[in-house]
Amino acid sequence: EIVMMQSPATLSVSPGERVTLSCRASQSVSSNLAWYQHKPGQAPRLLIYLASTRATGIPARFSGSGSGTEFTLTISSLQSEDFAVYYCQHARYTFGQGTKLEIK
Amino acid sequence: EVQLVESGGGLVQPGGSLRLSCAASGFIFSTDTMNWVRQAPGKGLEWVSYISYSSGTVDYADSVKGRFTISRDNAETSLSLQMNSLRDEDTAIYYCAREVDVSGYFDLWGRGTLVTVSS
Repeated sequence: EIVMMQSPATLSVSPGERVTLSCRASQSVSSNLAWYQHKPGQAPRLLIYLASTRATGIPARFSGSGSGTEFTLTISSLQSEDFAVYYCQHARYTFGQGTKLEIK
Repeated sequence: EVQLVESGGGLVQPGGSLRLSCAASGFIFSTDTMNWVRQAPGKGLEWVSYISYSSGTVDYADSVKGRFTISRDNAETSLSLQMNSLRDEDTAIYYCAREVDVSGYFDLWGRGTLVTVSS
């Protein structure tokens, strides 16, 4: 069973900052990785799939990279609407535990 | 409008049953793999179940296998989750999600329905 591990659990950042979130797989998942944004009371939103492809309508400030076991989600300049929980996911079945972005 | 709307959540006693529904609109439901994902209070997302476009293939998380049954009605564009023998640990918000081309990625989600299992 593949386990996805995200770090850090919580990240305190200021609007306008550049932020990088990490996701590590317990074994290679090639580029089979997605990132989601989730705000309380809302539907989760697909941001990135195949490790680096932005989903439809996702702003260019969101970018994904990595392959194998190490992946990152980068937000180039944080906007107020970006404060949320971010999850990585492998192959339908496995989500990471999430990273919460909070306002510093 | 392209959307998924869940319903059927509520308060149920341990050992009880509940049936969740997900109404799909604005897209060709009959061609898409569909999933249920849940989020327990204070926890992350957990995949629960999936069903292929034709209902020919289904799968379940080990935590719900033998207790939950996923089904769909393509004519009615609806997805269901029959939940039996409910446990405290099944308490969660349940989301239905559309899968992109059997890829494992979920590009459309509903807002969820809350299931509370408590005596």
